Amino acid sequence: EAGVVQSPRYKIIEKKQPVAFWCNPISGHNTLYWYRQNLGQGPELLIRYENEEAVDDSQLPKDRFSAERLKGVDSTLKIQPAELGDSAVYLCASSSGNEQFFGPGTRLTVL
Amino acid sequence: QKEVEQNSGPLSVPEGAIASLNCTYSDRGSQSFFWYRQYSGKSPELIMSIYSNGDKEDGRFTAQLNKASQYVSLLIRDSQPSDSATYLCAVRRGSSNTGKLIFGQGTTLQVKP
Repeated sequence: EAGVVQSPRYKIIEKKQPVAFWCNPISGHNTLYWYRQNLGQGPELLIRYENEEAVDDSQLPKDRFSAERLKGVDSTLKIQPAELGDSAVYLCASSSGNEQFFGPGTRLTVL
Repeated sequence: QKEVEQNSGPLSVPEGAIASLNCTYSDRGSQSFFWYRQYSGKSPELIMSIYSNGDKEDGRFTAQLNKASQYVSLLIRDSQPSDSATYLCAVRRGSSNTGKLIFGQGTTLQVKP
């Protein structure tokens, strides 16, 4: 069974530029999560989807971050414009029950 | 006070020893508890989940949960150099099985040959 797929794996951009991350969850997993992990810290949830509905986006900085999961399968997370403090690893996870499984992540560097 | 607390370490143990990793949490409504292993530069990998008080064993790993003391631990028996990684404790509140996980900052384990 294929795991969670994310792309790109690495992204380097200058501040104020836009950036987008893509995630394809494990087949059959209805719940999709975007987490952000800063160096030396645990992941922190940005947004959670149940199918195509965003059910928890309380920690998503909505002035610059947006996300979508239009058909309830793959998802895109966008930052526009990026700031220096957005440098982190952006992790996508999916679940069909109690356990969440993470993708490889996208390491974003904002210069 | 952080919602999930772990000692960042590093915890250093000799090969073959038992490594004991600890985690405390503040929300008494927490129902589900997980341990993830994260190698440097990689994403978290689920290694154990535990939902009720007591011990749960899987191979060399044992998870222990004490809800009264709000304490979760992970024991790794016969530690190997390949176990060297950061171990993240994660907690989920409430009864929803798809709610968000609250992570600790992780404990770095070093197993010395």
